[in-house]
Amino acid sequence: SQKIEQNSEALNIQEGKTATLTCNYTNYSPAYLQWYRQDPGRGPVFLLLIRENEKEKRKERLKVTFDTTLKQSLFHITASQPADSATYLCALVAAGNKLTFGGGTRVLVKP
Amino acid sequence: EPEVTQTPSHQVTQMGQEVILRCVPISNHLYFYWYRQILGQKVEFLVSFYNNEISEKSEIFDDQFSVERPDGSNFTLKIRSTKLEDSAMYFCASSENRDTYEQYFGPGTRLTVT
Repeated sequence: SQKIEQNSEALNIQEGKTATLTCNYTNYSPAYLQWYRQDPGRGPVFLLLIRENEKEKRKERLKVTFDTTLKQSLFHITASQPADSATYLCALVAAGNKLTFGGGTRVLVKP
Repeated sequence: EPEVTQTPSHQVTQMGQEVILRCVPISNHLYFYWYRQILGQKVEFLVSFYNNEISEKSEIFDDQFSVERPDGSNFTLKIRSTKLEDSAMYFCASSENRDTYEQYFGPGTRLTVT
């Protein structure tokens, strides 16, 4: 069956450092992969989409890579700030625009 | 900035009762979705809706669930006979059309079934 895995352990990081999150998937050949941010009690917020033919995508301090051979995406937050503290969700797009989400990785940026 | 809105923010209901959760998607969006998140678990897809019909639905979306776009702005999720295990946060989302994949989520309705 299809599986999407993110590191369930929280990532504690010092302000100014780079946070790197991993998303691995199996039994899937997605054409698109997305990253969302979720704050407690709130809905996911779209951050970035990367296509299977793109190796890397950037938006401000965020960078996403997509390796379809390794079946893995990496999500980087550079120069992290306390306001970046949240849970980050990886999602794959399937038929009917259905999003299948990973369990998310909680990031805590300490000042 | 346009946003998806949902009402109510919190709904408490007794087992066996019917509930209707309401959403107003972003006005020029054509694709609508419902997801749910049980406390501490993943966000799970329920259903997608395009051109006035269901595009895709998950195994969770059984005969107890239905969706409707009753007018040009609202999108509703009905649960006919709620069960305890339906307690969750329900998120509505919308996207511009079938070729744009980024989805914009509402703030959610917390449904508590007692």
